[in-house]
Amino acid sequence: EPEVTQTPSHQVTQMGQEVILRCVPISNHLYFYWYRQILGQKVEFLVSFYNNEISEKSEIFDDQFSVERPDGSNFTLKIRSTKLEDSAMYFCASRTGDRVLDEQFFGPGTRLTVL
Amino acid sequence: AQSVSQHNHHVILSEAASLELGCNYSYGGTVNLFWYVQYPGQHLQLLLKYFSGDPLVKGIKGFEAEFIKSKFSFNLRKPSVQWSDTAEYFCAVIPLSGGYNKLIFGAGTRLAVHP
Repeated sequence: EPEVTQTPSHQVTQMGQEVILRCVPISNHLYFYWYRQILGQKVEFLVSFYNNEISEKSEIFDDQFSVERPDGSNFTLKIRSTKLEDSAMYFCASRTGDRVLDEQFFGPGTRLTVL
Repeated sequence: AQSVSQHNHHVILSEAASLELGCNYSYGGTVNLFWYVQYPGQHLQLLLKYFSGDPLVKGIKGFEAEFIKSKFSFNLRKPSVQWSDTAEYFCAVIPLSGGYNKLIFGAGTRLAVHP
């Protein structure tokens, strides 16, 4: 069964460093998402991506964040200059089609630790 | 602001006990409703979803949920839990007047089932 994959599973970085989190969505999916979950808090929407552009972003997704689909398979989240408060679990999700009730399939997450 | 509330953060049950996890949302318009489950060390997986029609929705693994529009609720139930149901359960909403279908999650309920 196809699934969303994410790499790395755990990333440790120093404050101020750039990180790139990688996701491979399911191959025939058209909509892509990043969510994050700070330890002990809710899963929060960061950004959605469709047709090679951001379709919606949250207040969290400021200028330090960017997303890219550099080729036909990868979907990346870049944090330019990490802060302590960026430490969280980052989930990628994807879905197919344009029906709002289509399921979003989630990856296993990348745990980002900023020291 | 749009939000999803889950009443119980931690629930401990014995096997064969009945389960009901509460979920309320604050949004006046039409919504799609979801329950996701995250087993230890695994992805977020869809348990069930509601978009229209019969307000009693059946999902995988014997779970069901009832949408009560007047109460803005979408409670999850299972008549008899098993040890393998130990997981974290997330209620989520997609407001249909929104953009590209971002999920708004509740804080999650951690369920522990003892044999």
